[in-house]
Amino acid sequence: KAGVTQTPRYLIKTRGQQVTLSCSPISGHRSVSWYQQTPGQGLQFLFEYFSETQRNKGNFPGRFSGRQFSNSRSEMNVSTLELGDSALYLCASSLDGASDAYEQYFGPGTRLTVT
Amino acid sequence: SQQGEEDPQALSIQEGENATMNCSYKTSINNLQWYRQNSGRGLVHLILIRSNEREKHSGRLRVTLDTSKKSSSLLITASRAADTASYFCATWGNTGKLIFGQGTTLQVKP
Repeated sequence: KAGVTQTPRYLIKTRGQQVTLSCSPISGHRSVSWYQQTPGQGLQFLFEYFSETQRNKGNFPGRFSGRQFSNSRSEMNVSTLELGDSALYLCASSLDGASDAYEQYFGPGTRLTVT
Repeated sequence: SQQGEEDPQALSIQEGENATMNCSYKTSINNLQWYRQNSGRGLVHLILIRSNEREKHSGRLRVTLDTSKKSSSLLITASRAADTASYFCATWGNTGKLIFGQGTTLQVKP
């Protein structure tokens, strides 16, 4: 079974631009969660999608948004990029992210650099 | 803010030695999980321990959980150079999401 894939793996953008990151979950997994990892703040939960609906959200500004498609693939979008958005963005999939019975499988991440 | 605080922040040991990492958290949990991350890459799930369990083993890993002290420890026995990585604890509570600690960076010298 293929693992979680994320594209692109690396991205360089300029302040003020917007960016879209993509995540393909493991086949059969319906929940996709997104996390931001920075040296200063560590790993922080962005949001979780299940069956095309945002089910849970972290404490991030509205510039961070996401969506999930009918095949469970998910995208996250960051508009009006700021230098502080430079981070490793990780997505994780599980059978049902709302249940603690199911393990989350992480992708390799997208390294975003904002200049 | 992070739910979990890990101690130590960095640990350097020789191959063959045991490595112990500790994690403390603030609120009630359903379970606590440990993850490994190699050099800024994705996270690998190591072990999950539920709030009604006190100890769990998986290969060379041993995890303990003390809910009265809101703390957990991860022991890696007979460490190998390949164990060099960052280790994170993450708690799953009533918020329905994983909340991660800051992590412990482990270096195992051959």
